[in-house]
Amino acid sequence: QSALTQPASVSGSPGQSITISCTGTSSDLGSYNFLSWYQQHPGKVPKLIIYEVTKRPSGASNRFSGSKSGNTASLTISGLQAEDEADYYCCSYAGPSTFGHVVIGGGTKLTVL
Amino acid sequence: QVQLVESGGGVVQPGRSLRLSCAASGFTFSTYALNWVRQAPGKGLEWVAIISYDGSQIYYADSVEGRFTISRDNSKNTLYLQMNSLRAEDTAVYYCVRRVGGIPFDYWGQGTLVTVSS
Repeated sequence: QSALTQPASVSGSPGQSITISCTGTSSDLGSYNFLSWYQQHPGKVPKLIIYEVTKRPSGASNRFSGSKSGNTASLTISGLQAEDEADYYCCSYAGPSTFGHVVIGGGTKLTVL
Repeated sequence: QVQLVESGGGVVQPGRSLRLSCAASGFTFSTYALNWVRQAPGKGLEWVAIISYDGSQIYYADSVEGRFTISRDNSKNTLYLQMNSLRAEDTAVYYCVRRVGGIPFDYWGQGTLVTVSS
């Protein structure tokens, strides 16, 4: 079980769009369409913002969108706002079925310039 | 509303044991799988273990396999994590997290801090 790979940091200016990548393997991210993304502000509990690759939970901003191709998933945040500055984590199942191990990315720190 | 309240954290010496508890309310506990997820100070999230709704299926991260045991008591709406042979690298905030369907981490508790230090 290796962690999913994310860039350590990304940055953007207010109003811009940014994309955070998440790379796994054919044993985890590539095998399941259960890729989710979490936002964590300092000192706070992580919050679900995307699940099953592209779906947004109730209450999540429509400025968040997700996609996946092969072993790589992406989170795009459009119209950056100061409140988006946070850490972001991707997460996937890793077998032996959809109930089993879970792998989480190392996290990406988003800085809004 | 859904509530998950962890307890049992504290300072423990390397090699010793500790048991965490997570008291659940606001949902039908016995129908949901649950996870433990941890976060070392200043570090990222790490999945630790998962248990199915009835306790029949359990999986662990390689880093804790053989040392930690996840269990649940559906009559008490409580999740447990027995941690043995603790190491300095187990120092972290431990979160109790509910799973629902295709969402591995649905609701999170506030976490309990475990510090392994001599």
